[in-house]
Amino acid sequence: DTAVSQTPKYLVTQMGNDKSIKCEQNLGHDTMYWYKQDSKKFLKIMFSYNNKELIINETVPNRFSPKSPDKAHLNLHINSLELGDSAVYFCASSQGDSRSNYGYTFGSGTRLTVV
Amino acid sequence: DAKTTQPNSMESNEEEPVHLPCNHSTISGTDYIHWYRQLPSQGPEYVIHGLTSNVNNRMASLAIAEDRKSSTLILHRATLRDAAVYYCILRPPGNTPLVFGKGTRLSVIA
Repeated sequence: DTAVSQTPKYLVTQMGNDKSIKCEQNLGHDTMYWYKQDSKKFLKIMFSYNNKELIINETVPNRFSPKSPDKAHLNLHINSLELGDSAVYFCASSQGDSRSNYGYTFGSGTRLTVV
Repeated sequence: DAKTTQPNSMESNEEEPVHLPCNHSTISGTDYIHWYRQLPSQGPEYVIHGLTSNVNNRMASLAIAEDRKSSTLILHRATLRDAAVYYCILRPPGNTPLVFGKGTRLSVIA
């Protein structure tokens, strides 16, 4: 059983299109995250949700909109895709906040290529 | 965010122990020390974490200096599957998410 699953694994699309990436975790965790890993391999936090509520929103263009229908799902919708959005996007989950300091569980990533 | 300093890369022979260092001289008293690794084409994977005492689990050991200004991740017997980028991360209290640095790229030679 996959703990954190992302779909699709690969996504190739044209500039200007709108696309979504889905993430589901079956660990019962309270908090979910989206990270972006660019071509230089830097991993950057984009969003953090705790029990369906947005708690962290880093400097990310408004074209990116996370949606959490329930605490097991955190989807990422991207409008008007640009070439610079090409990257690998990772979803992650954790139990509690850092006071409990549990580890994160990451998905296997979605490689987005904008052409 | 408190910062960590790690060597860019390290190399190890298979079946030998590996000591991956991390300096975090500006660590605060409530920061936990986390280690993650990222194998090629995979998402990061939790390895171990600790606060003050040394920690052991099935994957690795974490040795934390007495003044907490540095730590060392120890892989007791490196295998080819341990080749990855290893990240040392300080996690403060609250809802601050993990902030990844550049990490150490570990190569394992057969």
